[in-house]
Amino acid sequence: GAGVSQSPSNKVTEKGKDVELRCDPISGHTALYWYRQSLGQGLEFLIYFQGNSAPDKSGLPSDRFSAERTGGSVSTLTIQRTQQEDSAVYLCASTLGTGVSPLHFGNGTRLTVT
Amino acid sequence: KNQVEQSPQSLIILEGKNCTLQCNYTVSPFSNLRWYKQDTGRGPVSLTIMTFSENTKSNGRYTATLDADTKQSSLHITASQLSDSASYICVVSRDVRKAGNNRKLIWGLGTSLAVNP
Repeated sequence: GAGVSQSPSNKVTEKGKDVELRCDPISGHTALYWYRQSLGQGLEFLIYFQGNSAPDKSGLPSDRFSAERTGGSVSTLTIQRTQQEDSAVYLCASTLGTGVSPLHFGNGTRLTVT
Repeated sequence: KNQVEQSPQSLIILEGKNCTLQCNYTVSPFSNLRWYKQDTGRGPVSLTIMTFSENTKSNGRYTATLDADTKQSSLHITASQLSDSASYICVVSRDVRKAGNNRKLIWGLGTSLAVNP
């Protein structure tokens, strides 16, 4: 497709369960970002991948959160032992990664932890 | 502290009218300022990106201005349409030296705009 694709669009899970969120970036975009958007809050940076470089994990809120990007394309964000405060919209974005370039966002995964 | 503040928090206007949204920032060092539009249930979409030397930039009916001296930006929407109903988010980048400075983006909370018929 032409845009960033995220799946699932909605996920409801029980507290304590693990979840995996998937992101397919735009073809050719070397940079990929994960953000979290909670109600009434600005976008919160989670993690950044650029090519084959080590990812910038400085935004991950706890060690329950991890992400990987296989083959420089698809990325998976994993949340282990989910808590109710993890409920939010998780947004993925990709960009060409050179200079000042706009982020292209997917429509997000809305995660609800019950 | 690096902050981006937007006003008003919400705004209701009639279709066809113009409006202006404000963004004040205290981000330093400044690299660029961006405006995004976010429809309900969708990801943000880029409207404009302005660097230090740019005072104004247009994208259709959207015109953004930047005053780097006073650290203020505005987004003017002309002849509003129902499809303009969305949240408009101001974003400032503070990382001037590194390529891929999207990592240092400071996001505002957005202005929620409702355009009524």
